[in-house]
Amino acid sequence: KNEVEQSPQNLTAQEGEFITINCSYSVGISALHWLQQHPGGGIVSLFMLSSGKKKHGRLIATINIQEKHSSLHITASHPRDSAVYICAVSGSRLTFGEGTQLTVNP
Amino acid sequence: NAGVTQTPKFQVLKTGQSMTLQCAQDMNHNSMYWYRQDPGMGLRLIYYSASEGTTDKGEVPNGYNVSRLNKREFSLRLESAAPSQTSVYFCASARLAGAPGEQFFGPGTRLTVL
Repeated sequence: KNEVEQSPQNLTAQEGEFITINCSYSVGISALHWLQQHPGGGIVSLFMLSSGKKKHGRLIATINIQEKHSSLHITASHPRDSAVYICAVSGSRLTFGEGTQLTVNP
Repeated sequence: NAGVTQTPKFQVLKTGQSMTLQCAQDMNHNSMYWYRQDPGMGLRLIYYSASEGTTDKGEVPNGYNVSRLNKREFSLRLESAAPSQTSVYFCASARLAGAPGEQFFGPGTRLTVL
């Protein structure tokens, strides 16, 4: 079993829909990261959080330390949100989930 | 600032050939990392350098060597490339190793070994 599990693996949505991507982990962590990888391949950090909730524009990330679970929400989704979203946890080093491929259709 | 840069962007090798992937960062970060990304798998750590002058093995170090040339530069060498090393390679840097800080990624190198 992977230390970091994401669901779903693939997600297709219509423009405007509310999207949720989930991440569960099985190890002790100091922080959890959400990353975005666009079709061109570049990886950018969206959030780093160790408790509670963070919001940036239409993106919201939450974490429940007791349940070892995090969610990434996208409100009013847009085709430009189409990307792979990666969850990673910080222990002694970063451990990555496999990613969730999101496609938002117009 | 350029952030993290990698060269080359694409490379095709024949089995047994050698090559070096270059990485540089201009953010004065202490730690640097090399990852590989394969379909159906998360990013996996090959080697990392917590600070200038130190390097350590990650999860999948076999077949690779690294050099932390100075604080800015961290190179990855394949001495005798194998088809199993076909992958996309990412370099990353962070201010401190071991701390839960953000990592900054380069654009990646797509390597094919025939």
